[in-house]
Amino acid sequence: GNSVTQMEGPVTLSEEAFLTINCTYTATGYPSLFWYVQYPGEGLQLLLKATKADDKGSNKGFEATYRKETTSFHLEKGSVQVSDSAVYFCALSDPGGADGLTFGKGTHLIIQP
Amino acid sequence: DGGITQSPKYLFRKEGQNVTLSCEQNLNHDAMYWYRQDPGQGLRLIYYSQIVNDFQKGDIAEGYSVSREKKESFPLTVTSAQKNPTAFYLCASSSSGTIIYQPQHFGDGTRLSIL
Repeated sequence: GNSVTQMEGPVTLSEEAFLTINCTYTATGYPSLFWYVQYPGEGLQLLLKATKADDKGSNKGFEATYRKETTSFHLEKGSVQVSDSAVYFCALSDPGGADGLTFGKGTHLIIQP
Repeated sequence: DGGITQSPKYLFRKEGQNVTLSCEQNLNHDAMYWYRQDPGQGLRLIYYSQIVNDFQKGDIAEGYSVSREKKESFPLTVTSAQKNPTAFYLCASSSSGTIIYQPQHFGDGTRLSIL
């Protein structure tokens, strides 16, 4: 079956630090990969996506590259802000298609001023 | 603005009672989903529907039921058979086409608690 593994949190960084949140996956086929962000008390918002190997998704200064050889989709940002504090979820969509997304457990990011 | 509306935001259930969570979307999406989120865990799929009048069980469907009588609506009923219903429930939708490429759009969730 499919699975997504993220680094455990919380991750605490100072403002303007470099961010990496690791994500690796297991899939039976060739999935699409997503990062979602969840702010307190809210639903999930799509942050970025990649649909094939070597694709780079980017949005709001965040980037992630689809690495098929290492089955990874690590999230990075060069300089984080306090407003980036949230829970980040890595997810995949199976090529079988129909049955929703498979999520990692989420990484709680805390940015201190 | 187009989006997904979940109601109520907070819901309390007594023992042995069924409750229904509402999910409405005006994005003209064909596919809709219900997820359950527990503290420190990712989202787990309860039910999904690709078209009107059709739906499929997800990974944790026991104790839940759904209907899809209209394209824009996908209500979830938490029945008394669900022994541990306290959780945050999220509804999502996605457009048609090649499902694998389509991101899902989420509502703001309903937090269900047992009295």
